[in-house]
Amino acid sequence: AQSVTQLDSHVSVSEGTPVLLRCNYSSSYSPSLFWYVQHPNKGLQLLLKYTSAATLVKGINGFEAEFKKSETSFHLTKPSAHMSDAAEYFCVVSPPAGTGGFKTIFGAGTRLFVKA
Amino acid sequence: DVKVTQSSRYLVKRTGEKVFLECVQDMDHENMFWYRQDPGLGLRLIYFSYDVKMKEKGDIPEGYSVSREKKERFSLILESASTNQTSMYLCASSPQGFGQYFGPGTRLTVT
Repeated sequence: AQSVTQLDSHVSVSEGTPVLLRCNYSSSYSPSLFWYVQHPNKGLQLLLKYTSAATLVKGINGFEAEFKKSETSFHLTKPSAHMSDAAEYFCVVSPPAGTGGFKTIFGAGTRLFVKA
Repeated sequence: DVKVTQSSRYLVKRTGEKVFLECVQDMDHENMFWYRQDPGLGLRLIYFSYDVKMKEKGDIPEGYSVSREKKERFSLILESASTNQTSMYLCASSPQGFGQYFGPGTRLTVT
């Protein structure tokens, strides 16, 4: 069975300060993990993905995430927040590549606020 | 770049109407999905399809049906729209096991 927990429903940071969005997962096998971003009234955009290669994954717009198996975590970070980063972020877990992408589990989402 | 398009951004329908939501992807992906997104409930999977003419129920299929006659097109059908189907509908496609690419969404209001 798989599950994903985003530990914060809301995160507020000042522009130019680091961003940390936390995600823990549970999986009976080595999963694929993803982060998506959703701006208001838009669809979800894939930020980055982990598929059992390097544990530190770099994505678009300066975001990165580190897969830590021992902690079952996949936290999303960015060194310096921009106003345009204000959005909702979803952590997602799905079975490994080649085993079927049907049982994708979405986290509840973390809304990021960026203060000027 | 992968492109997933949805037929409408905003749609207003009356209770009891039959509603078609269309989704088209241009990357030859095997898998396609329909979700609805509601405040406080997150994304919930309605149906998915892993091949032409193949479909599987997701978590909330009641009141919906789907059609996939061509690989690039996946349609969601509300046979008789009800007010509790007012929602944001998101279509996605993916190659096997490699994350999903989403369309811009259709905000459906049923009055």
